[in-house]
Amino acid sequence: DTEVTQTPKHLVMGMTNKKSLKCEQHMGHRAMYWYKQKAKKPPELMFVYSYEKLSINESVPSRFSPECPNSSLLNLHLHALQPEDSALYLCASSQEGGLAGFNEQFFGPGTRLTVL
Amino acid sequence: AQSVTQLGSHVSVSEGALVLLRCNYSSSVPPYLFWYVQYPNQGLQLLLKYTSAATLVKGINGFEAEFKKSETSFHLTKPSAHMSDAAEYFCAVSAPGGYQKVTFGTGTKLQVIP
Repeated sequence: DTEVTQTPKHLVMGMTNKKSLKCEQHMGHRAMYWYKQKAKKPPELMFVYSYEKLSINESVPSRFSPECPNSSLLNLHLHALQPEDSALYLCASSQEGGLAGFNEQFFGPGTRLTVL
Repeated sequence: AQSVTQLGSHVSVSEGALVLLRCNYSSSVPPYLFWYVQYPNQGLQLLLKYTSAATLVKGINGFEAEFKKSETSFHLTKPSAHMSDAAEYFCAVSAPGGYQKVTFGTGTKLQVIP
């Protein structure tokens, strides 16, 4: 199974709502990532988890709260978002590269988020 | 720090013609370089990667890229375009080690004309 799944596919939320995005992989990968992609732009890294611990936070506002409950699951909790947060949110996973080299990141199909 | 520049945000080719998508990189250390493809409303798929082995890298779907250190380039080519190649293509760079932080270029949208 070389698939990363993301739910939901689409999400519409108001600025006062609390919602969560979910990402799952069963490839045994120990690194998982959240990216944000605005229309006609490249993906921008938000968070990296390595062995279920947060290793990179790219200065993301606190209204985005990541969580890695286990090695297969990655959540992104959303609260008090702004309309400009509307984007495609992509999850990815990879084996840990360490110093030996690079391992391919496998991307999920994304969650299309609209904040009203 | 590493970065990539993709020349041309939009490229149009006729079906059967050569595809050439340009990417130049900047890196203070020998980089890892990648090309990803993204179809509408989908995630990214790795086409190919350069990790300091052979300078000519062959990927999926008939694509290949050549790492040219002297030109700091990693252009993507395909001899004959197919309608199914129409998509957004991202060049990306990463430094060895660390947490696999990948920096993407701004993307090139490939249009294939029948």
